Amino acid sequence: QQQVKQSPQSLIVQKGGISIINCAYENTAFDYFPWYQQFPGKGPALLIAIRPDVSEKKEGRFTISFNKSAKQFSLHIMDSQPGDSATYFCAAIRGGYQKVTFGIGTKLQVIP
Amino acid sequence: DSGVTQTPKHLITATGQRVTLRCSPRSGDLSVYWYQQSLDQGLQFLIQYYNGEERAKGNILERFSAQQFPDLHSELNLSSLELGDSALYFCASSVGFGGTATNEKLFFGSGTQLSVL
Repeated sequence: QQQVKQSPQSLIVQKGGISIINCAYENTAFDYFPWYQQFPGKGPALLIAIRPDVSEKKEGRFTISFNKSAKQFSLHIMDSQPGDSATYFCAAIRGGYQKVTFGIGTKLQVIP
Repeated sequence: DSGVTQTPKHLITATGQRVTLRCSPRSGDLSVYWYQQSLDQGLQFLIQYYNGEERAKGNILERFSAQQFPDLHSELNLSSLELGDSALYFCASSVGFGGTATNEKLFFGSGTQLSVL
């Protein structure tokens, strides 16, 4: 049962463009929504996170948009760079990292 | 570098065998978590230890077991291996119980790629 649906599974964006990855969840008990970035051969690393009482959070070129009523959240990468090429995972957490559900991942490729 | 060390990086074994994966958490972190990443199931939580004690269990098979030692390193033991156990196994650590209410962060190691042939 996939409780967090992530799309697209792969994405190709031109350098300087905007990368958008979407996630949808079902369980309204989730209270923390992080995004992780994973490079080949490395483990996931926290990129940015948001709580459901906030509609948007921005850190540098990365922005999370959160729509509580629609149970959706998305990651926007502005001015995408080749160095952003990685796999991105959304996650939804209820209380702690023991109750985490990850999305399937999106492989992003930023081409020059 | 996350500070979480996992060994070995790659492991190739046969069905029916038993293997041990090792993890050293970041200095100062008391919680260790194990996750399994497979192509069909994605990333799934297996088990958490806090300061030597099992704290939470997720989708961990009975053939799998883990422990955390007094020096806080952890081992994940996988036995009677099946082809379907082939996956990337991640260890992660955090400073406390892993509650997100306190903005506690999770740090992942680079993983152990297990191939069961």
